[in-house]
Amino acid sequence: EVQLVQSGAEVKKPGESLKISCKGSGYSFTSYWIGWVRQMPGKGLEWMGIIYPGDSDTRYSPSFQGQVTISADKSISTAYLQWSSLKASDTAMYYCARPREMATLGAFDIWGQGTMVTVSS
Amino acid sequence: DIQLTQSPSFLSASVGDRVTITCRASQGISSYLAWYQQKPGKAPKLLIYAASTLQSGVPSRFSGSGSGTEFTLTISSLQPEDFATYYCQQLNSYPIFTFGPGTKVDIK
Repeated sequence: EVQLVQSGAEVKKPGESLKISCKGSGYSFTSYWIGWVRQMPGKGLEWMGIIYPGDSDTRYSPSFQGQVTISADKSISTAYLQWSSLKASDTAMYYCARPREMATLGAFDIWGQGTMVTVSS
Repeated sequence: DIQLTQSPSFLSASVGDRVTITCRASQGISSYLAWYQQKPGKAPKLLIYAASTLQSGVPSRFSGSGSGTEFTLTISSLQPEDFATYYCQQLNSYPIFTFGPGTKVDIK
């Protein structure tokens, strides 16, 4: 079964660092892009950026450039989203997602279950 | 950047109703548009890709149409499990794949 399994919920304080993960299984992890999507409480979906684990080519939405870092470790089929200094406004559900087709960017048919990040003092 | 708008933002409908949601792009995106359904506490689910192609396993009551700047998602006969929020996403403007603001479909 093709799936993306994300790490568990996190509760952090402002200024702390965090790295959440998204592990792919059931497919060739290095052959598909992985995207990250933010959903703030009660709000819509926001596109954050993507990575191609095969060569670590990474692109960001301008709204998130410099705010987060997307990376991947192909040896363990895992993509990451990390923050160096969290803010309360980073409180949200974060999803990873994989496109339908290998090595191309198209609609995303495989989604992780989401990781809830809560930042509060 | 390409902006997407959806109308209506909120829709109240009854089981069996025909429902149409519109997504408009600020510039032409050919057919690079997808539709997703999201239920509370769940990840989005892909319904339609390439503007009009039904994703495998999605009921045929869902259909999509349009190209360029105007797109529609139609549910031909609303079922109880269809009450959810629907999002469009443009996949034309690499690497910024904008989502629309969403349309919530609620029970009348």
